[in-house]
Amino acid sequence: EAGVTQSPTHLIKTRGQQATLRCSPISGHTSVYWYQQALGLGLQFLLWYDEGEERNRGNFPPRFSGRQFPNYSSELNVNALELEDSALYLCASSSGQGSTDTQYFGPGTRLTVL
Amino acid sequence: QQPVQSPQAVILREGEDAVINCSSSKALYSVHWYRQKHGEAPVFLMILLKGGEQKGHEKISASFNEKKQQSSLYLTASQLSYSGTYFCGTEGGSGGSNYKLTFGKGTLLTVNP
Repeated sequence: EAGVTQSPTHLIKTRGQQATLRCSPISGHTSVYWYQQALGLGLQFLLWYDEGEERNRGNFPPRFSGRQFPNYSSELNVNALELEDSALYLCASSSGQGSTDTQYFGPGTRLTVL
Repeated sequence: QQPVQSPQAVILREGEDAVINCSSSKALYSVHWYRQKHGEAPVFLMILLKGGEQKGHEKISASFNEKKQQSSLYLTASQLSYSGTYFCGTEGGSGGSNYKLTFGKGTLLTVNP
């Protein structure tokens, strides 16, 4: 069974540009979660999508947005990039919603903002 | 509110035991434990739910003290493969449809031969 996949692996942008990160969940999973992992800060929750809708978002500015497509894959968009947006962005998927669902993580996209 | 993990780092020799703690200032509904090796994605270890239900795999155990709003991960007879950063993710309130995990900053575990 294929795991969660993310693309691209690495992304280099300059300040003010926009970045688009993509995630494909495990087959059969309907929920997709996005996390930012910056050095020394652990995993910071960004967004949760389920069945095509945004269910919850973390404490991030509106320039962090995304969507989930009918095939349950997801995109994370970061507008007006700032230097502090440099981080590893992890996507996870689960089979449903709720506290007992295990989240399976992808390998991440390393975003560098110059 | 981000849970606090302790210790921040621990170094063991193969075969030794370790305990990693995760504390929250808010009432917890569930605690999730993950391990992340350098350059790899976090891997699920364990879920502990309010009321005592526990889901997990591998030879690792954990406890969840609802009163103290704290969870502990127990690693016994450590192996080299246990090395990595351990994260706890907590969910507060009564769980449900607003499910959102808040992760601690992690505990770096190094197991030496």
